[in-house]
Amino acid sequence: DARVTQTPRHKVTEMGQEVTMRCQPILGHNTVFWYRQTMMQGLELLAYFRNRAPLDDSGMPKDRFSAEMPDATLATLKIQPSEPRDSAVYFCASGLEGRTYEQYFGPGTRLTVT
Amino acid sequence: SQKIEQNSEALNIQEGKTATLTCNYTNYSPAYLQWYRQDPGRGPVFLLLIRENEKEKRKERLKVTFDTTLKQSLFHITASQPADSATYLCALVYSSASKIIFGSGTRLSIRP
Repeated sequence: DARVTQTPRHKVTEMGQEVTMRCQPILGHNTVFWYRQTMMQGLELLAYFRNRAPLDDSGMPKDRFSAEMPDATLATLKIQPSEPRDSAVYFCASGLEGRTYEQYFGPGTRLTVT
Repeated sequence: SQKIEQNSEALNIQEGKTATLTCNYTNYSPAYLQWYRQDPGRGPVFLLLIRENEKEKRKERLKVTFDTTLKQSLFHITASQPADSATYLCALVYSSASKIIFGSGTRLSIRP
């Protein structure tokens, strides 16, 4: 049963610390997405990769956030330095372009920055 | 900029009735419109997709319509059950621009 995995599932950190979230997309999928979900803003697209190349990261605060795909089995989202307003649930999703952009979401990383 | 509105934050329906959720958007019609279900503490799960040149799509008790003139999609769950209680999200996919935008969701509660 193929699924997207994310680590860690929960992270509590102090303001100013670096946070790294990891995602393993479903094998064979060629698109990867990072989303942030809060009660106030809903689900916001942060970054979108196709074949490991970034297509759209316009939703991501560039000064502190960075997203990479070192290889096809790993996507990372890094926040440095973290701030309390970054507290949210971060979802990774993968898909197969050409298959109607259907996305398979991971379980999310719940981040709390104090 | 593109805006999406999903009807009322919450919808309460009697079991067995048809639940109808609305997704309205402004500006350009997307190539695809998707519907997802999200349960508390979990990631969204894909349910259905409809293309801009399609009027209606069905899957079991689910039906989606897409009206590009009204700039609206309706999502119906027939013979609703308490297990259908969840938050439902619509998403607009602009494939040519590699843009995907999610609505804020509608929380659906089905009471026995």
